[in-house]
Amino acid sequence: QVQLHQWGAGLLRPSETLSLTCAVYGGPFSDFFWSWIRQAPGKGLEWIGEISHTGSTNYNPSLESRVTISVDTSKSQFSLKLSSVTAADTAVYYCANYLAGFDIWGQGTKVTVSS
Amino acid sequence: DIVMTQSPDSLAVSLGERATINCKSSQSLLYSSNNKNYLAWYQQRPGQPPRLLVYWASTRESGVPDRFSGSGSGTDFTLTISSLQAEDVAVYSCQQYYSMPFTFGPGTKVDIK
Repeated sequence: QVQLHQWGAGLLRPSETLSLTCAVYGGPFSDFFWSWIRQAPGKGLEWIGEISHTGSTNYNPSLESRVTISVDTSKSQFSLKLSSVTAADTAVYYCANYLAGFDIWGQGTKVTVSS
Repeated sequence: DIVMTQSPDSLAVSLGERATINCKSSQSLLYSSNNKNYLAWYQQRPGQPPRLLVYWASTRESGVPDRFSGSGSGTDFTLTISSLQAEDVAVYSCQQYYSMPFTFGPGTKVDIK
């Protein structure tokens, strides 16, 4: 049973870079695409982007200029960096596995951007 | 981007009664080469990550109770909870994976009447 565990800083100042990592346990890392998704307070879910085990990425155009998703296959981990954060980036960030829909999710990391 | 809308925004249903949630996409999610609709449904309880309920518009995820069912094709989809239980109180969202960027509906909050 695949499980995802994520971690990273929860409080950032405006203009800083958000950095989160997600580790994959209990299953094959190479068979899937791995995504980052966020949910602002009281809002719906927003897909940020995805990466394969080969490092192939796809990003949401709305965030593409500030997003980098990377992978470390040796550790079965993938990471998210979001630069120049503002209060609008305050959200719960999730990592998730995509097959047909997102069937496995990390526990979520609450990120607050405040001066 | 494909825009997903849902109705109603919220609904309250008596225990044991039927709850119906609608989802509409701004373009067809039916891929003609395999006749599959690229539409998923999620349940999200407060403080928890979403849980996949249905994919391919009507295929129930393993472990999901059979009171949950998905239907529809093209641009119009429905999630039905046939007999509402107390543990079904949550926000339900649809999501398209037909094209990137993947997009979600705004969610429908289901409560007990």
